[in-house]
Amino acid sequence: EDQVTQSPEALRLQEGESSSLNCSYTVSGLRGLFWYRQDPGKGPEFLFTLYSAGEEKEKERLKATLTKKESFLHITAPKPEDSATYLCAVPNSGYALNFGKGTSLLVTP
Amino acid sequence: NAGVTQTPKFQVLKTGQSMTLQCAQDMNHEYMSWYRQDPGMGLRLIHYSVGAGITDQGEVPNGYNVSRSTTEDFPLRLLSAAPSQTSVYFCASSYSGLSGREDEQFFGPGTRLTVL
Repeated sequence: EDQVTQSPEALRLQEGESSSLNCSYTVSGLRGLFWYRQDPGKGPEFLFTLYSAGEEKEKERLKATLTKKESFLHITAPKPEDSATYLCAVPNSGYALNFGKGTSLLVTP
Repeated sequence: NAGVTQTPKFQVLKTGQSMTLQCAQDMNHEYMSWYRQDPGMGLRLIHYSVGAGITDQGEVPNGYNVSRSTTEDFPLRLLSAAPSQTSVYFCASSYSGLSGREDEQFFGPGTRLTVL
């Protein structure tokens, strides 16, 4: 069965303190790995899609990387506005996304 | 473009009542889906559609019906609401779920449903 596991469940950082979020997956025939950001009371907002091991994508202070078993979301010098829940997901054998439970990130000034 | 819109934003029902959650998109996307999000459970797929007239069940379909008469609209019907259906419901759409390289899914703002 396809599975997506995210760690840690929650992360508290001070402004400027870099760190990484992990997403490990078990799926046969990966058709992409998605990262989303979700703010309280809102729908998930697309960040990145990665398709093959070794691929990297960047957006402002965020960089996503992919290996054959996991993906990392690196946050460099975070700011309070980066506080959110970060979700990763992989397509299942059908037509939908299997989501992890997310990492709740809090960045304090 | 408005993207994906959902109505209502909030709803309170009594056990046994029925209602329809509305979802519309103006991006001419073929693929639409409904998820529910519960604390500690993540997002789980309820139903999905790969085009007008075509729907199928997801992971947690019981108690919900869908139809897709147009490309733009994908309503979710609760036939007889139960407290277990208290959740936040998200509609999503993408250009295609069949490309082999999956497309970004756009999510609506959600409907918060409470069943008493």
